[in-house]
Order: sequence, then C-alpha cells, then structure tokens
Amino acid sequence: GENVEQHPSTLSVQEGDSAVIKCTYSDSASNYFPWYKQELGKRPQLIIDIRSNVGEKKDQRIAVTLNKTAKHFSLHITETQPEDSAVYFCAASKPSSYKLIFGSGTRLLVRP
Amino acid sequence: SAVISQKPSRDICQRGTSLTIQCQVDSQVTMMFWYRQQPGQSLTLIATANQGSEATYESGFVIDKFPISRPNLTFSTLTVSNMSPEDSSIYLCSAGSGQYEQYFGPGTRLTVT
Repeated sequence: GENVEQHPSTLSVQEGDSAVIKCTYSDSASNYFPWYKQELGKRPQLIIDIRSNVGEKKDQRIAVTLNKTAKHFSLHITETQPEDSAVYFCAASKPSSYKLIFGSGTRLLVRP
Repeated sequence: SAVISQKPSRDICQRGTSLTIQCQVDSQVTMMFWYRQQPGQSLTLIATANQGSEATYESGFVIDKFPISRPNLTFSTLTVSNMSPEDSSIYLCSAGSGQYEQYFGPGTRLTVT
C-alpha cells in the first residue's frame, strides 16, 4: 500500500529564517498532496495542498512544490514566526480511494 | 470548509466497556473517515465510513472492534468495543466532498483504565 515518508522529524529555526519539510510517497497513482498543521491539543488544520497537475503552489509565506518523477513534495515556510511552531503533517491520496495516508510529522520550533 | 463536531470531547472508560463517538458535519459530504492518533504520533486511518453500506477497514482494524455507522451524509459514529488500555488514544473524524480538502473534527480523547 501507499507509504509516505517525512523528514526531518524535528526542525528548529530562528525567527525570520526559512523552514523546509520534505515528503516522499511510494504510490505513483497518488495525485493529491495536502499539508496539515497541528498545534498542541488541537485538530489538524489544512494549510495548503497541491494536485499532481501543478508543480508549485504559494499562499503568502507558505509554498508547496511537487516533483512527480521523483515522487516527492516539500513544504516551504518563509519568514518564520513563533506562531508557526507546531507539528506539520504531509499526506497523499489517490483517486481510487480518496483516503489520506499521512507522513510521520515534523515538529517545527521557531525560536524568537 | 465544512464545520465538524465530535462528541464526547473526552472520556475515561473502564476496560471491557464500549464507547460510541459521534461525528456531525454541518453540510452534506461524500467522504467521512475515522483516524486514531496516539500522543506525539501521526494519524492512522481506521476506516472509511460509507453512507448506506459497510465501512471499509484498513489493515489491522476490524469491524467487531471498531463498528462504524453512517446513516446519512452528515453523521457517523465509531464505537470502540471491549476496550483495553491499548485503545487509549485520540480518535478523529474527517470529512470532505470528493477527493480534495478533508477537514477534521476536534477529536475525542479516550483513556481506558
């Protein structure tokens, strides 16, 4: 079945620096790749997503890139702020089932 | 985006008992799912809740342990049966229309003693 690997498991950056989180998926049929942010004790929140017909998508300080050939996608956060501190999860799904398979998560800490 | 609520938000249960968790969406959705999240871990899919038919379970999860109902397009329940301490976890439902943009409920924190 589908497997999604996520790196790094923890990431500490200085406020204002950029953060990059990378994910690799195994099933070439996957065509939808969302990113979720989960703050402590809260539900996962969808922050950005990308479909396989697009190589890059931006929304203010966050962006996601997709390399279908290599089967990997990345989350980029620029000008990080302390409120970006959270756990970030990548996921993948395919048209036959719609179910999301999640990566293991990245704990991002933004130091003031 | 759909607004999703869950009840109860948390519960403490004795081993051997069962708990039913409710998930309510404020609009009709085609897809509803149930996940489990251990503290500090990722989300693991338990099953897809199919409207009008039996749920589709992932490997490692069985209907006798986690019976699921979905009587309509806005509501689903997950029952955790014959609980043991290993079932202590956060249970989340998610919903979406089609493949894209799934949203999560706030979760149910279950502790089994």
